[in-house]
Amino acid sequence: ETGVTQTPRHLVMGMTNKKSLKCEQHLGHNAMYWYKQSAKKPLELMFVYSLEERVENNSVPSRFSPECPNSSHLFLHLHTLQPEDSALYLCASSQDWDRSYEQYFGPGTRLTVT
Amino acid sequence: QKEVEQNSGPLSVPEGAIASLNCTYSDRGSQSFFWYRQYSGKSPELIMSIYSNGDKEDGRFTAQLNKASQYVSLLIRDSQPSDSATYLCAVIGGSQGNLIFGKGTKLSVKP
Repeated sequence: ETGVTQTPRHLVMGMTNKKSLKCEQHLGHNAMYWYKQSAKKPLELMFVYSLEERVENNSVPSRFSPECPNSSHLFLHLHTLQPEDSALYLCASSQDWDRSYEQYFGPGTRLTVT
Repeated sequence: QKEVEQNSGPLSVPEGAIASLNCTYSDRGSQSFFWYRQYSGKSPELIMSIYSNGDKEDGRFTAQLNKASQYVSLLIRDSQPSDSATYLCAVIGGSQGNLIFGKGTKLSVKP
């Protein structure tokens, strides 16, 4: 399998549930990203990992918890979410966390919080 | 707050015409510029990157960059109905490697 993959593709969860989103990249990249895409808003960067170390956390609520066990895998752990957290969650990767490298996106997880 | 501005559209062009998509950015130190295409319900797909002033052509697509005016554009020649999508402009700022996205311009190509 090539590129960036994400599972699950769709997720419906209640506000008291705990779930995790998974991202895997097969491109040999060193940087991975989580983005949130809501209707009528620009893509919002949530977290950045470079060589498995978190380098950016854009004031994201603690109910979102990222994990990067190695340079190929990235997780987003979810707990006690709110309905306004319903969105498309996108994972991306790039060769390095640098001003010039192109980012490639996975297919996304469509999350609905009920 | 670093920003990337795009006209949300929709921009409607007839098949075969040239579609022109525009983007401005606020961070004068920005170094790298990208155009992504996003079909409804799908993830963004990188279609063009440009790093220096001038034009860059790839098939039917031409990206244009003017750093003095803080302006980047995408031209699509011989537009096809399959080009109908939302086009996202994204910029990497001068101080670090994070992409900043515009809200996107929705393009509709009518047969």
